[in-house]
Amino acid sequence: ETGVTQTPRHLVMGMTNKKSLKCEQHLGHNAMYWYKQSAKKPLELMFVYNFKEQTENNSVPSRFSPECPNSSHLFLHLHTLQPEDSALYLCASSQDQRDPWTEAFFGQGTRLTVV
Amino acid sequence: KNEVEQSPQNLTAQEGEFITINCSYSVGISALHWLQQHPGGGIVSLFMLSSGKKKHGRLIATINIQEKHSSLHITASHPRDSAVYICAVNRLETSGSRLTFGEGTQLTVNP
Repeated sequence: ETGVTQTPRHLVMGMTNKKSLKCEQHLGHNAMYWYKQSAKKPLELMFVYNFKEQTENNSVPSRFSPECPNSSHLFLHLHTLQPEDSALYLCASSQDQRDPWTEAFFGQGTRLTVV
Repeated sequence: KNEVEQSPQNLTAQEGEFITINCSYSVGISALHWLQQHPGGGIVSLFMLSSGKKKHGRLIATINIQEKHSSLHITASHPRDSAVYICAVNRLETSGSRLTFGEGTQLTVNP
């Protein structure tokens, strides 16, 4: 248990569906991250929020829409996804994005399958 | 070519063996991380280091900044060590806690 909780753990959705992934941390962290992990590829950073403000969007397609209502919660809204979007989506948090010495804590991930 | 390269990609060992996983990087860094990912998907941070050597139980991590190389060693390996081990770096040019990851090393320890 790392203190970062993701729900759901598994999700199967059709290409026309709309769904949301949720991430929650109560570690008092101010930075939250979405990563995508596809088979046989390194983790790819998608979005970063620091103190509720989006600070990075790593050229992510608009069918992925993040939301950070407060420092403890992060959502990833999904719509009209493609089969190639099937992957493990990991959330992480750290004290402050600007601090390179802060350790990142990861959630268990959501295994997404788009059919 | 990835900025962070790990070797080997896959490693199978017998219980009790000494294991080494290597990580080379081609960018300036402020810190290097070793992470462990179990089959369920969750990732746990093992080490964060910028110089020298750190030890935690049976795990040892070393880094050589001049050679841009780090190693993760596991002594007296055990089947429960089976996991994917990921090397990641904080790049100087991007600053902050943003990480760049290697592809990971799949370790299987057989009883």
